[in-house]
Amino acid sequence: AQKVTQAQTEISVVEKEDVTLDCVYETRDTTYYLFWYKQPPSGELVFLIRRNSFDEQNEISGRYSWNFQKSTSSFNFTITASQVVDSAVYFCALSGRDTGNQFYFGTGTSLTVIP
Amino acid sequence: GAGVSQSPSNKVTEKGKDVELRCDPISGHTALYWYRQSLGQGLEFLIYFQGNSAPDKSGLPSDRFSAERTGGSVSTLTIQRTQQEDSAVYLCASRLGQGVFNEQFFGPGTRLTVL
Repeated sequence: AQKVTQAQTEISVVEKEDVTLDCVYETRDTTYYLFWYKQPPSGELVFLIRRNSFDEQNEISGRYSWNFQKSTSSFNFTITASQVVDSAVYFCALSGRDTGNQFYFGTGTSLTVIP
Repeated sequence: GAGVSQSPSNKVTEKGKDVELRCDPISGHTALYWYRQSLGQGLEFLIYFQGNSAPDKSGLPSDRFSAERTGGSVSTLTIQRTQQEDSAVYLCASRLGQGVFNEQFFGPGTRLTVL
């Protein structure tokens, strides 16, 4: 079965705090990709990052970083020094080679950054 | 270049009426997806088109829902005899090719309200 779990439904942090959004996945595919999307209050989903199943290197982009660990089937997303503009719903998604190009989205984590 | 566009942006209809929602994918993208997002909820997969292949309709919630994609480009999602529970934001996404690594690009959505 293909499944993405984002156990954190809502998170609130004070501006400048660090926050980590959890994503746990299940898949039988040996080749798969994981994605993070941001959905700001305006509503349009924006692609943030893609990671393939063979690359466990962590990635950093500005205040954003991603920690991919196959051993725990997790692909967590950390925002450092959060800002009000980071307030959004964040979705983790999975796409596997053997799953017919289906995307499996988690239920999302709503992040509120309080000024 | 132009992104995914959807029209109308908002649609208010009366229960029992039919509605048509339109999606213009990014030029050259062969894959097209429809999702439904109810208020505060995650993404519910509806249907997927890939090139000239038969669409994956496994997510359509009832036979009142149908979709077509003409000429491998524009897609129309039709909801017949709308019900109040159909009220949601309908999102369209397109994707380049069949590669599992390709991310989806989302449109701004159509907010459907059934009175």
